[in-house]
Amino acid sequence: ETGVTQTPRHLVMGMTNKKSLKCEQHLGHNAMYWYKQSAKKPLELMFVYSLEERVENNSVPSRFSPECPNSSHLFLHLHTLQPEDSALYLCASSQEVDRPINYNEQFFGPGTRLTVL
Amino acid sequence: DAKTTQPPSMDCAEGRAANLPCNHSTISGNEYVYWYRQIHSQGPQYIIHGLKNNETNEMASLIITEDRKSSTLILPHATLRDTAVYYCIVRDTSGTYKYIFGTGTRLKVLA
Repeated sequence: ETGVTQTPRHLVMGMTNKKSLKCEQHLGHNAMYWYKQSAKKPLELMFVYSLEERVENNSVPSRFSPECPNSSHLFLHLHTLQPEDSALYLCASSQEVDRPINYNEQFFGPGTRLTVL
Repeated sequence: DAKTTQPPSMDCAEGRAANLPCNHSTISGNEYVYWYRQIHSQGPQYIIHGLKNNETNEMASLIITEDRKSSTLILPHATLRDTAVYYCIVRDTSGTYKYIFGTGTRLKVLA
């Protein structure tokens, strides 16, 4: 248990569906992250939030829409996805958005395995 | 792009020490080296980090060369449960100093 939970753990959706992934951290952290991990590819950072403000968006298609209503919760809203969006989606949190000269461990959730049909 | 390079795979006999190398020749003076591992289909798990000195915790030891251009993660007595992908990470120093994950080393511990 890392203190970061994700629901659902598995999700199958059609290309016309709308669904949301949820992440919750119980660590009192101020920064939260969404990563995507496709088969046989490195983890790719998608979004970074600091104190509920999005501070980074790594050229992610608009069919992925993040939401951070408070520092403990992070959502990823999905709509009109493509089969190539099938992947493991990981949420992480850290005490704060990384700064230089700071050690800042990230705590990862177990991920949501998404399959788009 | 990731700022680290690692061998794609390694095997280790159970009970032996596993030594996982990492090159980070462009590391900045104040950047830490982090090691995480990812067991199949789970989220990455923090192992250890270091700046200049060698470090040891209950999971592993980290040896950093004096010039800081490379490091080695040592699992002193590897078990079957240590089979995982191991990532050596040096943060990107632009923007939010984010982690850039490479492809890691797939360690297989053999019985």
